[in-house]
Amino acid sequence: DPKIIQKPKYLVAVTGSEKILICEQYLGHNAMYWYRQSAKKPLEFMFSYSYQKLMDNQTASSRFQPQSSKKNHLDLQITALKPDDSATYFCASSQELGGIEQYFGPGTRLTVL
Amino acid sequence: GEKVEQHESTLSVREGDSAVINCTYTDTASSYFPWYKQEAGKSLHFVIDIRSNVDRKQSQRLIVLLDKKAKRFSLHITATQPEDSAIYFCAASRGQQGTGSKLSFGKGAKLTVSP
Repeated sequence: DPKIIQKPKYLVAVTGSEKILICEQYLGHNAMYWYRQSAKKPLEFMFSYSYQKLMDNQTASSRFQPQSSKKNHLDLQITALKPDDSATYFCASSQELGGIEQYFGPGTRLTVL
Repeated sequence: GEKVEQHESTLSVREGDSAVINCTYTDTASSYFPWYKQEAGKSLHFVIDIRSNVDRKQSQRLIVLLDKKAKRFSLHITATQPEDSAIYFCAASRGQQGTGSKLSFGKGAKLTVSP
């Protein structure tokens, strides 16, 4: 059974629209993250959460808003979508924050037209 | 911020040979160095990590070396098999709570192991 679920697997959106990427982890972890991977940039850290609190935000744009409604959920809302937002978005989790193994979800591939 | 450079973008070896992937980092405070494997169209899968309190770690056919002085670390895959073919990413972090937890990744090295 998949331990980290990301929905949807593929997403196509039009410029200017808003989308929510879903992430749920069933590993019992207390820390969750979002990363982005695109053709133009290597894997890029976006956010980290610990016990549902935002710990680090390396995303310059406020168009990206993480939302944690439950301890094992960390969704990513993206508003005013741009073609440059096209990427695969990976959710990850670890037992705690810090230098320990992070487990990655399968990713959501977002294409903005 | 931390910059991780991955020097090889592609490498090809014959089955049974060894493969080495090298990375350098810039942040002297980095203390945690994991490696991830990504097969085509799939997510990242953790393979091995090393912390700054040791300079060598081995897990079966994988060896990680860390040279803190040179700010360099490397992944050695011995007795390669075709299923080792994938993109390998090195990463670094401060290994701390808060802002020290983020992983900074290299660009990835595509390893091809031919039979």
